[in-house]
Amino acid sequence: GEDVEQSLFLSVREGDSSVINCTYTDSSSTYLYWYKQEPGAGLQLLTYIFSNMDMKQDQRLTVLLNKKDKHLSLRIADTQTGDSAIYFCAEENNAGNMLTFGGGTRLMVKP
Amino acid sequence: DAGITQSPRHKVTETGTPVTLRCHQTENHRYMYWYRQDPGHGLRLIHYSYGVKDTDKGEVSDGYSVSRSKTEDFLLTLESATSSQTSVYFCAIGRAQETQYFGPGTRLLVL
Repeated sequence: GEDVEQSLFLSVREGDSSVINCTYTDSSSTYLYWYKQEPGAGLQLLTYIFSNMDMKQDQRLTVLLNKKDKHLSLRIADTQTGDSAIYFCAEENNAGNMLTFGGGTRLMVKP
Repeated sequence: DAGITQSPRHKVTETGTPVTLRCHQTENHRYMYWYRQDPGHGLRLIHYSYGVKDTDKGEVSDGYSVSRSKTEDFLLTLESATSSQTSVYFCAIGRAQETQYFGPGTRLLVL
């Protein structure tokens, strides 16, 4: 079955870059996603990448995809205290109608 | 925010009682989903719907049933709640490739 793994915790200083990593198992996934969850809130889509791309940049966010190693990363440049949240990566199934989420990485940004 | 509401937002119930959670959308999306979120597990799909009266099981469907009699409403029922169903439940709308939007969540405590 599908399995998505993330490290549990990341701590960075304000202004530094953050890199959150994710590994997945379904090589047929067409899209991979990054979601952000702030305390007490639902998930908010940050960005996604199509599987035939290896990089996507969106303002402070850079997504890197290594399809051979099934490794996805999210880089946040100039990390701010407002970026403190839990970040989830997710892969979709073959039919494109279901997402499998990783366990989430809690990002703590220290002033 | 996409027009998704969940009710109730918080509920405390006793083991063995039936519980129904409601997800309501105003976006006319065909696809609707119920997830549960537990520490260390991220989000896991319970059931989803791809149209009125069309539903299918997700990864953790045991002990849950769903109904969709109208496009805008997707109900999740715990026929006989157990303590293992204490969780935060999120509804989402939209197909994975078209971006999923999440509701604010329902915190359920089963005593």
